[in-house]
Amino acid sequence: DTGVSQDPRHKITKRGQNVTFRCDPISEHNRLYWYRQTLGQGPEFLTYFQNEAQLEKSRLLSDRFSAERPKGSFSTLEIQRTEQGDSAMYLCASSLLALGGTTGELFFGEGSRLTVL
Amino acid sequence: GESVGLHLPTLSVQEGDNSIINCAYSNSASDYFIWYKQESGKGPQFIIDIRSNMDKRQGQRVTVLLNKTVKHLSLQIAATQPGDSAVYFCAENAGFQKLVFGTGTRLLVSP
Repeated sequence: DTGVSQDPRHKITKRGQNVTFRCDPISEHNRLYWYRQTLGQGPEFLTYFQNEAQLEKSRLLSDRFSAERPKGSFSTLEIQRTEQGDSAMYLCASSLLALGGTTGELFFGEGSRLTVL
Repeated sequence: GESVGLHLPTLSVQEGDNSIINCAYSNSASDYFIWYKQESGKGPQFIIDIRSNMDKRQGQRVTVLLNKTVKHLSLQIAATQPGDSAVYFCAENAGFQKLVFGTGTRLLVSP
């Protein structure tokens, strides 16, 4: 257990439905990342937050995807009008950017597996 | 564009052997590389990292080698154990810890 919690671990939904995933990072970590991983592939970067600010979004993050980190602690990733191509593992990770500018190790959660029927 | 790839999708070894997993990267400006281990149903787990000002770094039973001339990384695991069976990814830092991962190599360790 890395200390990064994700919920739910598994979600099966029908095409067109909305889904939301939650990530609770390690409590003192100020950076939070979302990645997507499809079967047999490495994780792909989606977006990241420093505190509550969303600083970068991948082109993979279409307008059906939205991520928030309202209080700089937990984060949610919502997918609207799901498509079969959204089926994947959604991974959250967190790290600590120290005052001196050094960045600690990136810790990943166990992921939320989405299956869109 | 940025890409990180792996030469071998599956590596089978006997317990006790040394394992070498290779990785090529394309962004010559990358300055930080990481190896991750991912077991089935789990998230990636950090193994070892290396910065571009180094060519070798050792951990416990693992060594990472970096050859910037040919843009190549390798992960060496000494005395491989059944518990080392997993998929191994190399990743490069494209900035702000935005990692670019390869497709992975599956390591199978036979007793």
